[in-house]
Amino acid sequence: EDQVTQSPEALRLQEGESSSLNCSYTVSGLRGLFWYRQDPGKGPEFLFTLYSAGEEKEKERLKATLTKKESFLHITAPKPEDSATYLCAVESQGAQKLVFGQGTRLTINP
Amino acid sequence: KAGVTQTPRYLIKTRGQQVTLSCSPISGHRSVSWYQQTPGQGLQFLFEYFSETQRNKGNFPGRFSGRQFSNSRSEMNVSTLELGDSALYLCASSFAGGTEAFFGQGTRLTVV
Repeated sequence: EDQVTQSPEALRLQEGESSSLNCSYTVSGLRGLFWYRQDPGKGPEFLFTLYSAGEEKEKERLKATLTKKESFLHITAPKPEDSATYLCAVESQGAQKLVFGQGTRLTINP
Repeated sequence: KAGVTQTPRYLIKTRGQQVTLSCSPISGHRSVSWYQQTPGQGLQFLFEYFSETQRNKGNFPGRFSGRQFSNSRSEMNVSTLELGDSALYLCASSFAGGTEAFFGQGTRLTVV
């Protein structure tokens, strides 16, 4: 059964303090790994899709990387508006469904 | 380009009642998936539809059902509501399964 574990559960940073969020996964055959951002009371907002080990994608202060067992979401010089819950999900070949981790709740203090 | 639209945004129902939630996908998207989000269990997959056919179903009781129409709009129904069905129900659409899925704002269902 596909599984996703995210760490840490919660992370509090000062504005400008860079860090990384971890997503470890086990999947029978990876079709894609997805990162989402979710603000309270709202639906998840799509950030990145990674398909193969070694792939990297960037968007503003965020950079996602992928290995065969885990993915990292690096946040560089974060701002208070980056505060949110970050969700990682995997889709295995032929599954037509996303399996989500529990998320990392990120708080950026000004 | 309009995003995924879910209606209603909020619902309060009584135990034993039934409820129907609606989802309009992004134009051109043919895959629609439904997820239940609770603080304890996180996001859990309910079912996925593509061209009016259910291709996958999660581990939920038969009280949870869904369908997709020829215009790709989807509905999910929950019958005989229980207190534990209180959750945020999210719909996601994609061009095809396995590509980027975009979520709606969700329907917050409260069962009292």
